[in-house]
Amino acid sequence: SQTIHQWPATLVQPVGSPLSLECTVEGTSNPNLYWYRQAAGRGLQLLFYSVGIGQISSEVPQNLSASRPQDRQFILSSKKLLLSDSGFYLCAWTAGPGLLEQYFGPGTRLTVT
Amino acid sequence: AQKITQTQPGMFVQEKEAVTLDCTYDTSDQSYGLFWYKQPSSGEMIFLIYQGSYDEQNATEGRYSLNFQKARKSANLVISASQLGDSAMYFCAMRGHMTQGGSEKLVFGKGTKLTVNP
Repeated sequence: SQTIHQWPATLVQPVGSPLSLECTVEGTSNPNLYWYRQAAGRGLQLLFYSVGIGQISSEVPQNLSASRPQDRQFILSSKKLLLSDSGFYLCAWTAGPGLLEQYFGPGTRLTVT
Repeated sequence: AQKITQTQPGMFVQEKEAVTLDCTYDTSDQSYGLFWYKQPSSGEMIFLIYQGSYDEQNATEGRYSLNFQKARKSANLVISASQLGDSAMYFCAMRGHMTQGGSEKLVFGKGTKLTVNP
């Protein structure tokens, strides 16, 4: 069966520091991968989307970037964090086009101080 | 562009009773899909149920059913025989299109917080 991992589970970082969040998927090949952010008490905002290694699409302009160095690895990064980057970051995958349900990881709670 | 509206910020239900969570949507697509997710306090998003726009029957998954009214553009989630473990945030979502490349994405509503009372 497929599983999705996110690391770390929680993170507290000062403003201006770098960020690296990791997402890995097991049990599937060539998944579509997504990064979402959820601000406190809000819905999910799609940040990045990837259909394959090195292929990244950004939905909103922001302080963050994403990379996909391996088929089942998706990384969310920032060179300098802002207070507004605080939130709950969720990684998700689907088996490919013709989207049915997305499966989500456990999330990373980021607090920028 | 696709849009999901959930007008109930919070709902309360007694244990063992049924509850309906409202969701309306807006899209110009002829073919689309609607989803419900549950988010407990742990944060993980759990897929509950899916309804395709051409499905003639309402989707059901155990205690979850989706009351799909296409003409009204509504896709309400019905939870029967509520349990304490059903207390969570519930998000309605629909299949939409990326701004780049035409690939698909999920568009989420703002959610409804359900509290099940003993």
